[in-house]
Amino acid sequence: QKEVEQNSGPLSVPEGAIASLNCTYSDRGSQSFFWYRQYSGKSPELIMSIYSNGDKEDGRFTAQLNKASQYVSLLIRDSQPSDSATYLCAVHNAGNMLTFGGGTRLMVKP
Amino acid sequence: ETGVTQSPTHLIKTRGQQVTLRCSSQSGHNTVSWYQQALGQGPQFIFQYYREEENGRGNFPPRFSGLQFPNYSSELNVNALELDDSALYLCASSPSGRSGANVLTFGAGSRLTVL
Repeated sequence: QKEVEQNSGPLSVPEGAIASLNCTYSDRGSQSFFWYRQYSGKSPELIMSIYSNGDKEDGRFTAQLNKASQYVSLLIRDSQPSDSATYLCAVHNAGNMLTFGGGTRLMVKP
Repeated sequence: ETGVTQSPTHLIKTRGQQVTLRCSSQSGHNTVSWYQQALGQGPQFIFQYYREEENGRGNFPPRFSGLQFPNYSSELNVNALELDDSALYLCASSPSGRSGANVLTFGAGSRLTVL
């Protein structure tokens, strides 16, 4: 069973702080990794993809990948109340499927 | 450019009934995937369709079946509904090609309640 694990939270951070979201995965052969954001009652939307070890930055978001440790993280700098949502880590496995973690609920307090 | 549209948005069925959910993919996308998201959980992969054929399947029983049409729209059919089938059903489309195949654009979902 290929698994993706996330802390369900809630992770509470003050406005302006850095939010750090973490994800581990079990399939060592995984090559593609994604972070989706899901607001309550809405569908997931892609915010970052990462394919190589290291950091990838896009605006206030930085994705970090360490394949040796089977670890993916998402950093959100200067967190805003509008960032409050559930963040889903997803890993591409064989069979054309994405395996999602259970999500981490982030709360940014004004 | 239109996004992914799903219908119906909400529906209520009783145990043992059958349901059909529909999805129109985003313009330019020829791959459609279906996911089931139970309350408080992440989406779980049901299956993917590419060029009208099933192109991958998750751990769901055969009573979950699907179709893809020449215009890339898709249907998800669930027979013999069970209470545990109550969930948000998400359709996602993606462009073809190795790098794009898993960059999903999700529809708003169909929320199914089984009583």
